[in-house]
Amino acid sequence: EAQVTQNPRYLITVTGKKLTVTCSQNMNHEYMSWYRQDPGLGLRQIYYSMNVEVTDKGDVPEGYKVSRKEKRNFPLILESPSPNQTSLYFCASRPTGVSSGNTIYFGEGSWLTVV
Amino acid sequence: AQSVTQLDSHVSVSEGTPVLLRCNYSSSYSPSLFWYVQHPNKGLQLLLKYTSAATLVKGINGFEAEFKKSETSFHLTKPSAHMSDAAEYFCVVSDIFTSGTYKYIFGTGTRLKVLA
Repeated sequence: EAQVTQNPRYLITVTGKKLTVTCSQNMNHEYMSWYRQDPGLGLRQIYYSMNVEVTDKGDVPEGYKVSRKEKRNFPLILESPSPNQTSLYFCASRPTGVSSGNTIYFGEGSWLTVV
Repeated sequence: AQSVTQLDSHVSVSEGTPVLLRCNYSSSYSPSLFWYVQHPNKGLQLLLKYTSAATLVKGINGFEAEFKKSETSFHLTKPSAHMSDAAEYFCVVSDIFTSGTYKYIFGTGTRLKVLA
């Protein structure tokens, strides 16, 4: 089954304790992206990657890092989490090419609480 | 610059009555437009998309949307609401730039409530 898988789905952590949210897709997509969703703000892009070893900042990259060493994986790293990073996080991927229709596929979301 | 405005943050309808969720966009290029639905504690599911083919787009679960370039709108409609339609709906615009990068801009969401 084609899917985007995120882990963990739910996490409560403390300020300053490094954490990584993993994201894996099995559709051989080149493009992957991370978003955070906050009430009244919709989804905002954190980082994206056009392909392996190619990453770029989105609209709200502060406090986050990413890496893209393999095509299927795109982990989101919070080196020193702070309470303002409490949010619902979505990983997404999409294929490249005109025939793909630009549809982006989302994971189920990761609820992160920083206390 | 791209932007998406969902004109209503909350919409309430009675079961069996029509649904209208409004979305206006601005885009410098020829955009693709999407509607996604998010049920409570779930991820985002694609309802429908417009990618420069037919301006009236039919999606899943009886939803449809019409792309109106002159009004820069992409409103989502359904003739008859069902209780299971209660969810949050996001309008999304996507552009591909000459550099080959993609940009997806999300609206702030419309929460649909369906009354029995």
